[in-house]
Amino acid sequence: DVKVTQSSRYLVKRTGEKVFLECVQDMDHENMFWYRQDPGLGLRLIYFSYDVKMKEKGDIPEGYSVSREKKERFSLILESASTNQTSMYLCASSYLSQNTGKYGYTFGSGTRLTVV
Amino acid sequence: GENVEQHPSTLSVQEGDSAVIKCTYSDSASNYFPWYKQELGKRPQLIIDIRSNVGEKKDQRIAVTLNKTAKHFSLHITETQPEDSAVYFCAAGYSGGGADGLTFGKGTHLIIQP
Repeated sequence: DVKVTQSSRYLVKRTGEKVFLECVQDMDHENMFWYRQDPGLGLRLIYFSYDVKMKEKGDIPEGYSVSREKKERFSLILESASTNQTSMYLCASSYLSQNTGKYGYTFGSGTRLTVV
Repeated sequence: GENVEQHPSTLSVQEGDSAVIKCTYSDSASNYFPWYKQELGKRPQLIIDIRSNVGEKKDQRIAVTLNKTAKHFSLHITETQPEDSAVYFCAAGYSGGGADGLTFGKGTHLIIQP
């Protein structure tokens, strides 16, 4: 089974702090994603990456940046945390098998970030 | 970009009855439609998915139907059980090899009444 690991389950940070959320996957997947999940809003895509050092903005990139220096690791960075960034953050990776055509997504367990 | 609408936001059914959750999408290029179940405090887990070359897919008590012309797809759960209580998310995306990300609906809180 693919494992997507997020380094922290809970984080509390102060307004203005720089915050790093780390995500690691162990299956050599090309594509990795960061979502935030808020009640009544579902999961919204912040950023995604389709290769090392490649990144694309999702639907709500403002206030965030990302880093993909190694294939297995995708980091989400809050340059200056604000209270409206209090949320659950979910990392995911995806694969497409060229042989079988099978496509799938796997999520990490999430990081609940509180900005005070 | 893609827009996914999901209804209802809350669904309460008696144990043993069927539950249906409906989603619509806007981008005709989307060809991959997964459904995720998220229990309280846990990550979303894929329960079933369907590709656009298929109209229906079934896995035991769970089925998904897709109407590509109308751009809507539905999740059907039959003989509901207490462990089906969770939040369910539909999503739409393109699985052609690029990493465009999935667009999710806002979720349906399914409550199974004993």
